[in-house]
Amino acid sequence: EAQVTQNPRYLITVTGKKLTVTCSQNMNHEYMSWYRQDPGLGLRQIYYSMNVEVTDKGDVPEGYKVSRKEKRNFPLILESPSPNQTSLYFCASRGAGRNTDTQYFGPGTRLTVL
Amino acid sequence: LAKTTQPISMDSYEGQEVNITCSHNNIATNDYITWYQQFPSQGPRFIIQGYKTKVTNEVASLFIPADRKSSTLSLPRVSLSDTAVYYCLGTAGGYNKLIFGAGTRLAVHP
Repeated sequence: EAQVTQNPRYLITVTGKKLTVTCSQNMNHEYMSWYRQDPGLGLRQIYYSMNVEVTDKGDVPEGYKVSRKEKRNFPLILESPSPNQTSLYFCASRGAGRNTDTQYFGPGTRLTVL
Repeated sequence: LAKTTQPISMDSYEGQEVNITCSHNNIATNDYITWYQQFPSQGPRFIIQGYKTKVTNEVASLFIPADRKSSTLSLPRVSLSDTAVYYCLGTAGGYNKLIFGAGTRLAVHP
Protein backbone atom coordinates (compact mmCIF):
# COMPACT_ATOMS: atom_id res chain seq x y z
CA GLU A 1 0.00 0.00 0.00
CA ALA A 2 1.31 3.43 -1.00
CA GLN A 3 1.78 5.45 2.12
CA VAL A 4 3.68 8.04 4.11
CA THR A 5 4.48 7.06 7.68
CA GLN A 6 5.53 9.27 10.56
CA ASN A 7 6.89 8.46 13.99
CA PRO A 8 6.12 9.14 16.68
CA ARG A 9 2.44 10.01 16.31
CA TYR A 10 2.39 11.79 19.67
CA LEU A 11 5.26 13.31 21.60
CA ILE A 12 5.48 15.37 24.77
CA THR A 13 8.88 16.81 25.55
CA VAL A 14 10.56 19.64 27.42
CA THR A 15 12.20 22.81 26.22
CA GLY A 16 15.69 22.29 24.86
CA LYS A 17 15.64 18.50 24.53
CA LYS A 18 16.61 17.58 21.00
CA LEU A 19 14.12 15.44 19.10
CA THR A 20 13.64 13.89 15.68
CA VAL A 21 10.40 13.09 13.92
CA THR A 22 10.86 10.49 11.23
CA CYS A 23 9.08 10.39 7.88
CA SER A 24 9.23 7.59 5.36
CA GLN A 25 7.47 6.99 2.03
CA ASN A 26 7.30 3.84 -0.07
CA MET A 27 6.34 5.41 -3.40
CA ASN A 28 9.85 6.24 -4.64
CA HIS A 29 8.90 9.93 -4.65
CA GLU A 30 11.56 12.53 -5.26
CA TYR A 31 9.80 15.39 -3.51
CA MET A 32 9.17 15.41 0.24
CA SER A 33 8.03 18.18 2.54
CA TRP A 34 7.23 19.04 6.13
CA TYR A 35 4.32 21.18 7.31
CA ARG A 36 3.09 22.37 10.64
CA GLN A 37 -0.53 23.08 11.36
CA ASP A 38 -1.74 25.46 14.02
CA PRO A 39 -5.28 26.60 14.85
CA GLY A 40 -6.33 29.49 12.65
CA LEU A 41 -3.12 29.40 10.62
CA GLY A 42 -3.71 26.42 8.37
CA LEU A 43 -0.80 24.37 7.04
CA ARG A 44 2.55 26.10 6.70
CA GLN A 45 5.50 24.60 4.92
CA ILE A 46 8.67 24.20 6.99
CA TYR A 47 11.16 22.57 4.62
CA TYR A 48 11.04 20.64 1.40
CA SER A 49 13.40 18.40 -0.52
CA MET A 50 13.54 17.90 -4.26
CA ASN A 51 15.72 14.81 -4.02
CA VAL A 52 18.50 13.18 -2.02
CA GLU A 53 20.84 15.79 -0.54
CA VAL A 54 18.69 18.64 -1.93
CA THR A 55 16.69 20.59 0.64
CA ASP A 56 15.30 24.11 0.86
CA LYS A 57 13.41 26.32 3.26
CA GLY A 58 9.69 26.73 3.21
CA ASP A 59 7.82 29.56 4.89
CA VAL A 60 8.59 28.78 8.55
CA PRO A 61 12.02 27.07 8.77
CA GLU A 62 13.31 28.75 11.92
CA GLY A 63 14.10 26.26 14.68
CA TYR A 64 14.02 23.23 12.42
CA LYS A 65 16.52 21.16 10.47
CA VAL A 66 16.03 18.42 7.93
CA SER A 67 18.18 15.92 6.10
CA ARG A 68 17.67 13.77 3.02
CA LYS A 69 20.29 11.07 2.94
CA GLU A 70 17.99 8.48 1.42
CA LYS A 71 15.17 8.93 -1.03
CA ARG A 72 12.53 7.35 1.18
CA ASN A 73 13.34 9.18 4.44
CA PHE A 74 13.05 12.84 5.39
CA PRO A 75 13.46 13.37 9.15
CA LEU A 76 12.55 16.63 10.87
CA ILE A 77 14.97 17.66 13.60
CA LEU A 78 14.33 20.10 16.42
CA GLU A 79 17.72 20.80 17.97
CA SER A 80 16.36 22.83 20.87
CA PRO A 81 12.57 22.71 20.94
CA SER A 82 10.62 25.60 22.39
CA PRO A 83 6.95 25.86 23.42
CA ASN A 84 6.09 27.80 20.26
CA GLN A 85 6.91 24.65 18.30
CA THR A 86 3.99 22.86 19.89
CA SER A 87 1.98 21.93 16.84
CA LEU A 88 0.65 19.21 14.57
CA TYR A 89 3.25 18.19 12.01
CA PHE A 90 2.66 16.56 8.65
CA CYS A 91 5.10 15.02 6.23
CA ALA A 92 4.17 14.76 2.56
CA SER A 93 5.63 13.36 -0.64
CA ARG A 94 4.95 13.47 -4.37
CA GLY A 95 6.60 12.60 -7.66
CA ALA A 96 9.08 14.77 -9.51
CA GLY A 97 6.71 16.22 -12.06
CA ARG A 98 5.29 19.69 -11.91
CA ASN A 99 2.39 20.33 -9.63
CA THR A 100 0.14 17.98 -11.49
CA ASP A 101 1.39 15.32 -9.11
CA THR A 102 -0.68 14.63 -6.02
CA GLN A 103 0.87 15.12 -2.63
CA TYR A 104 0.42 12.26 -0.20
CA PHE A 105 0.34 13.20 3.46
CA GLY A 106 1.32 11.22 6.50
CA PRO A 107 -0.99 10.74 9.51
CA GLY A 108 0.57 13.58 11.50
CA THR A 109 2.67 13.95 14.64
CA ARG A 110 1.25 15.91 17.52
CA LEU A 111 4.11 17.55 19.40
CA THR A 112 3.84 19.28 22.76
CA VAL A 113 6.84 21.18 24.11
CA LEU A 114 6.57 22.07 27.79
CA LEU B 1 3.59 35.43 -3.65
CA ALA B 2 0.57 33.41 -4.72
CA LYS B 3 -1.80 33.51 -1.78
CA THR B 4 -5.28 32.08 -1.74
CA THR B 5 -8.42 33.41 -0.13
CA GLN B 6 -11.42 31.28 0.81
CA PRO B 7 -14.47 31.68 3.03
CA ILE B 8 -13.69 30.65 6.58
CA SER B 9 -16.74 28.46 6.99
CA MET B 10 -19.85 27.21 5.24
CA ASP B 11 -22.90 25.27 6.32
CA SER B 12 -25.00 22.94 4.24
CA TYR B 13 -27.50 20.11 4.54
CA GLU B 14 -27.35 16.56 3.36
CA GLY B 15 -28.19 16.16 -0.31
CA GLN B 16 -27.40 19.74 -1.28
CA GLU B 17 -24.74 20.91 -3.70
CA VAL B 18 -21.95 22.92 -2.11
CA ASN B 19 -19.77 25.40 -3.98
CA ILE B 20 -16.60 26.75 -2.37
CA THR B 21 -14.79 29.54 -4.15
CA CYS B 22 -11.11 30.33 -3.86
CA SER B 23 -9.40 33.51 -4.98
CA HIS B 24 -5.82 33.24 -6.28
CA ASN B 25 -5.06 36.51 -7.99
CA ASN B 26 -1.34 35.91 -8.38
CA ILE B 27 -1.34 32.35 -9.61
CA ALA B 28 1.57 31.67 -11.95
CA THR B 29 0.90 30.95 -15.60
CA ASN B 30 2.09 27.36 -15.42
CA ASP B 31 0.59 26.46 -12.06
CA TYR B 32 -2.34 24.16 -11.61
CA ILE B 33 -5.10 24.70 -9.07
CA THR B 34 -5.40 21.97 -6.50
CA TRP B 35 -7.91 21.27 -3.76
CA TYR B 36 -7.42 19.12 -0.67
CA GLN B 37 -9.78 17.82 2.00
CA GLN B 38 -8.82 17.37 5.64
CA PHE B 39 -10.63 15.61 8.44
CA PRO B 40 -9.74 16.34 12.08
CA SER B 41 -6.34 14.97 13.12
CA GLN B 42 -5.67 13.51 9.68
CA GLY B 43 -3.41 14.59 6.86
CA PRO B 44 -4.93 16.44 3.90
CA ARG B 45 -6.20 14.31 1.05
CA PHE B 46 -6.15 15.28 -2.63
CA ILE B 47 -9.58 15.94 -4.12
CA ILE B 48 -9.18 17.47 -7.55
CA GLN B 49 -6.86 19.47 -9.73
CA GLY B 50 -7.26 21.54 -12.87
CA TYR B 51 -5.71 24.19 -15.08
CA LYS B 52 -8.66 25.83 -16.79
CA THR B 53 -12.36 25.39 -17.64
CA LYS B 54 -13.90 22.41 -15.88
CA VAL B 55 -12.63 19.19 -14.39
CA THR B 56 -14.81 16.47 -12.92
CA ASN B 57 -13.99 13.28 -11.06
CA GLU B 58 -15.96 10.86 -8.91
CA VAL B 59 -15.76 13.18 -5.91
CA ALA B 60 -16.12 16.75 -7.15
CA SER B 61 -16.04 19.23 -9.98
CA LEU B 62 -13.68 22.14 -10.37
CA PHE B 63 -14.61 25.24 -12.33
CA ILE B 64 -11.91 27.65 -13.41
CA PRO B 65 -12.71 30.83 -15.36
CA ALA B 66 -10.59 31.99 -18.25
CA ASP B 67 -8.62 34.52 -16.18
CA ARG B 68 -7.75 31.78 -13.62
CA LYS B 69 -7.90 34.28 -10.77
CA SER B 70 -10.40 32.13 -8.93
CA SER B 71 -11.73 28.61 -8.86
CA THR B 72 -14.84 26.93 -7.50
CA LEU B 73 -14.95 23.50 -5.96
CA SER B 74 -18.36 21.90 -6.35
CA LEU B 75 -19.43 18.99 -4.17
CA PRO B 76 -22.64 17.39 -5.44
CA ARG B 77 -25.18 16.05 -2.96
CA VAL B 78 -23.07 16.31 0.16
CA SER B 79 -23.40 13.88 3.05
CA LEU B 80 -22.44 14.12 6.71
CA SER B 81 -19.09 12.53 5.89
CA ASP B 82 -18.19 15.51 3.74
CA THR B 83 -17.86 17.63 6.87
CA ALA B 84 -14.21 18.67 6.71
CA VAL B 85 -11.86 21.54 5.95
CA TYR B 86 -11.25 22.20 2.26
CA TYR B 87 -8.06 23.84 1.09
CA CYS B 88 -7.30 25.56 -2.14
CA LEU B 89 -3.61 25.31 -2.86
CA GLY B 90 -1.43 28.12 -4.10
CA THR B 91 2.27 28.22 -4.89
CA ALA B 92 5.15 30.65 -4.53
CA GLY B 93 8.54 30.71 -6.17
CA GLY B 94 7.69 27.80 -8.37
CA TYR B 95 5.75 24.69 -7.60
CA ASN B 96 8.02 23.55 -4.80
CA LYS B 97 6.83 25.99 -2.18
CA LEU B 98 3.23 25.14 -1.58
CA ILE B 99 0.90 27.45 0.25
CA PHE B 100 -2.22 26.29 1.97
CA GLY B 101 -4.66 29.02 2.90
CA ALA B 102 -6.68 28.90 6.10
CA GLY B 103 -9.16 26.62 4.40
CA THR B 104 -12.95 26.51 4.43
CA ARG B 105 -14.58 24.60 7.22
CA LEU B 106 -17.65 22.89 5.77
CA ALA B 107 -20.29 21.62 8.15
CA VAL B 108 -22.97 19.35 6.70
CA HIS B 109 -26.11 19.01 8.81
CA PRO B 110 -28.76 16.28 8.77
